Order: sequence, then structure tokens, then C-alpha cells
Amino acid sequence: AQSVTQLDSQVPVFEEAPVELRCNYSSSVSVYLFWYVQYPNQGLQLLLKYLSGSTLVESINGFEAEFNKSQTSFHLRKPSVHISDTAEYFCAVSEASNDYKLSFGAGTTVTVRA
Amino acid sequence: EADIYQTPRYLVIGTGKKITLECSQTMGHDKMYWYQQDPGMELHLIHYSYGVNSTEKGDLSSESTVSRIRTEHFPLTLESARPSHTSQYLCASKGAGSYNEQFFGPGTRLTVL
Repeated sequence: AQSVTQLDSQVPVFEEAPVELRCNYSSSVSVYLFWYVQYPNQGLQLLLKYLSGSTLVESINGFEAEFNKSQTSFHLRKPSVHISDTAEYFCAVSEASNDYKLSFGAGTTVTVRA
Repeated sequence: EADIYQTPRYLVIGTGKKITLECSQTMGHDKMYWYQQDPGMELHLIHYSYGVNSTEKGDLSSESTVSRIRTEHFPLTLESARPSHTSQYLCASKGAGSYNEQFFGPGTRLTVL
């Protein structure tokens, strides 16, 4: 069974500064990896996903994540954050052979200050 | 417009009441899910369905029940609500194929007094 660890529960950051959210997973088989974002009082929205191919994936709003198989990590980065990036971010993993089940990390709350 | 809907968004109810949380999706997805989310905790899968007349229990034991009579509809029912059921409940759906992600509804925040 897979599991996900998000190493930081809270990340305060100033506007226009870079941010990195760390995610490690454990699984003995091939996995698909996802980052979801949850704005206050809303459901989860997919930010980006890794399925196969290039280990660096990007979102349309400037986030990127890199899949590192040897370190079993999928860290999320943004070089310059905006106030509107204030949200909770969840890392999730599903085993490629078991496509129905997503396992989530506990989430990282990003608070962007002016 | 293809989307996933949950009603009500907020519900405050007394102990012992029967409640049903509604979830509908217009994307034609076969797979649907219910998650329970508490502050600072990961989402826990409580129920899922592969399609019509299919329901399975998830990783987290729950006193709730679900039904899947129509593809687009996946309601969750609590026969007798208790304060321990206070939580946020998120519904999701997923299309066929391992590469597809789950789409989430806005959630229902339930408070049982």
C-alpha cells in the first residue's frame, strides 16, 4: 500500500518570494503523482500531475513539480508567489496498477504575505 | 457544463437526525468517491463506486452508507448523526483510464450538535 508524507504543515512566505512544498511517498510499484490545491471553502482542484515521461511537470499558473524516483519525492515549487496562491496544497499518489485509489498527504497550508 | 455538485454546502443538525449528503456529476464518470476531511489531516476515503449498483467501503471505517442507482448520483446517508460525524465530506469522480485524475466537488461541511 502507498503512503504520502508532506513534510511541512505550514509555510509562510512573502509575496514574490519562491516557495517549495515537499512531498515524499512510499510504494513498491509504479505510481502516478498529483498535486491538488484547495482554496478556502472550496473543493480540491488539480494543479498538476505526473504520469510518465518527463520528470518535470508544470501547471498553467507557474507551479512545477519534479518526480524523483530514487528519492521517492514529488516536490512542488513556484519561483515567485502571489497573494492569490494562499491555499492548502495536497500531494497524492495512486498506484498505476490500481487506478481507483488515491492516497493523500496531510496537506501544506501556504500563507502569502505582502 | 460538465461539473460535480454537492448539496448542501453547510449543514448544522442535532444528534440523532437522519441526513443525506447529495453528490451529482455531469461528466458521465463511472467511478465516484466519498472522502472525509478534518483540519490538518489527510483526506480519508470512506466509500467508492465503480459504477451503477457498485459500492465499496474505503480505508476509513464509517457509519455512513452510500447508494449508486444512477451513474450521475452518489448520495451518502447517516441514519443517526452524532457529534463524532462532524467533518467535511468531499465527493469526487473519475473517468475511465488510470491516467485520469479525480475531480472534486466543493464539499459539505457537516456539524452535528
